[in-house]
Amino acid sequence: AQTVTQSQPEMSVQEAETVTLSCTYDTSESDYYLFWYKQPPSRQMILVIRQEAYKQQNATENRFSVNFQKAAKSFSLKISDSQLGDAAMYFCAYSPLTSGTYKYIFGTGTRLKVLA
Amino acid sequence: DAEITQSPRHKITETGRQVTLACHQTWNHNNMFWYRQDLGHGLRLIHYSYGVQDTNKGEVSDGYSVSRSNTEDLPLTLESAASSQTSVYFCASQDGSNSYEQYFGPGTRLTVT
Repeated sequence: AQTVTQSQPEMSVQEAETVTLSCTYDTSESDYYLFWYKQPPSRQMILVIRQEAYKQQNATENRFSVNFQKAAKSFSLKISDSQLGDAAMYFCAYSPLTSGTYKYIFGTGTRLKVLA
Repeated sequence: DAEITQSPRHKITETGRQVTLACHQTWNHNNMFWYRQDLGHGLRLIHYSYGVQDTNKGEVSDGYSVSRSNTEDLPLTLESAASSQTSVYFCASQDGSNSYEQYFGPGTRLTVT
């Protein structure tokens, strides 16, 4: 079965510092997408970053970057220069590229606190 | 601008009542999904649809049903509400192209008393 594990229920970071959120997944597929979504207190789910498994280069979006280790099935999110607005719940998600399948499998989430 | 909306945003209902949560998207996406979010479980897939007249069960579909009569709407029905269905419900849509990104609605908080 395909699973996504986020082993850190809660993390804290000092403002302007860097934090890394962990995500591991289990799959026998070779092609898939991985995502990080942010859920602030407003509850709105916001896509932070996306990684295609066939791309070796790690995705980056401004202060957000990933460390994608395909062999280790690891997909961590690094947030640089943390800001108060980064405080949120972060979900890792996996979606196989099997033809006709578009479902996501989510991890249980990591709550990030940013300390002023 | 295209969007995805859910209604109501909050609802309180009694055990045994039938409840329908609405989801409407103007992205013209073929794919639509319903999730529930519970503490310690993340988001779990209830039902999904890849087009008009197409519906499929997700991992936690018992007690829920959906129908897809047009592209824009995927209402979620709780046939006989139970306290275990107290949760936050999210609808999402996706165009099924190479991006695979899902766009989420604002969520509905449902309380079953």
